[in-house]
Amino acid sequence: EADIYQTPRYLVIGTGKKITLECSQTMGHDKMYWYQQDPGMELHLIHYSYGVNSTEKGDLSSESTVSRIRTEHFPLTLESARPSHTSQYLCAAGVNGYNEQFFGPGTRLTVL
Amino acid sequence: GNSVTQMEGPVTLSEEAFLTINCTYTATGYPSLFWYVQYPGEGLQLLLKATKADDKGSNKGFEATYRKETTSFHLEKGSVQVSDSAVYFCARLGYTGRRALTFGSGTRLQVQP
Repeated sequence: EADIYQTPRYLVIGTGKKITLECSQTMGHDKMYWYQQDPGMELHLIHYSYGVNSTEKGDLSSESTVSRIRTEHFPLTLESARPSHTSQYLCAAGVNGYNEQFFGPGTRLTVL
Repeated sequence: GNSVTQMEGPVTLSEEAFLTINCTYTATGYPSLFWYVQYPGEGLQLLLKATKADDKGSNKGFEATYRKETTSFHLEKGSVQVSDSAVYFCARLGYTGRRALTFGSGTRLQVQP
């Protein structure tokens, strides 16, 4: 299993601020993912990574960006937060094959 | 494309009632199938999984069988408890490409004492 950590758990900020949501995992899994969960509960993939220096956009268009400089770290950045970015953001990690993905506890972001 | 359809909630049951949450998936390739559970204020936890046709996943009294002929993976539990109240997500994982999960829309379960 992978331990997945996300910080902060809750964040309330004003419009226009730059924010970074942190995600880290301790088991060296190659693949990492960011999902956005809207208030209606649906989950949508917004970014993923196959490994170091690999990042791709997911199904749902997002103004956020990600980086993968180290295997264990996959931060998500919003350069200028807007109220439309209010959501819960879930980070996950997985390995090749048919294994499941392991999720962090999520960051609940509110942009005022 | 890849998709997962699950029954809408909320589902409200009395304690010890039988639970079924329906889930169907698109049959592109041979996906792995999962049920995840999300308790209030938390992330997703894997509940059970099945990786090929006729596999049965089970955990904590929950079961689901991978039915290729009906492209279904329905979640069942014989006797629910108040502590089972949560949101349940069915998901598929393709075996090629980016291997990201495609989720159903989630079903909220409320169990009353």
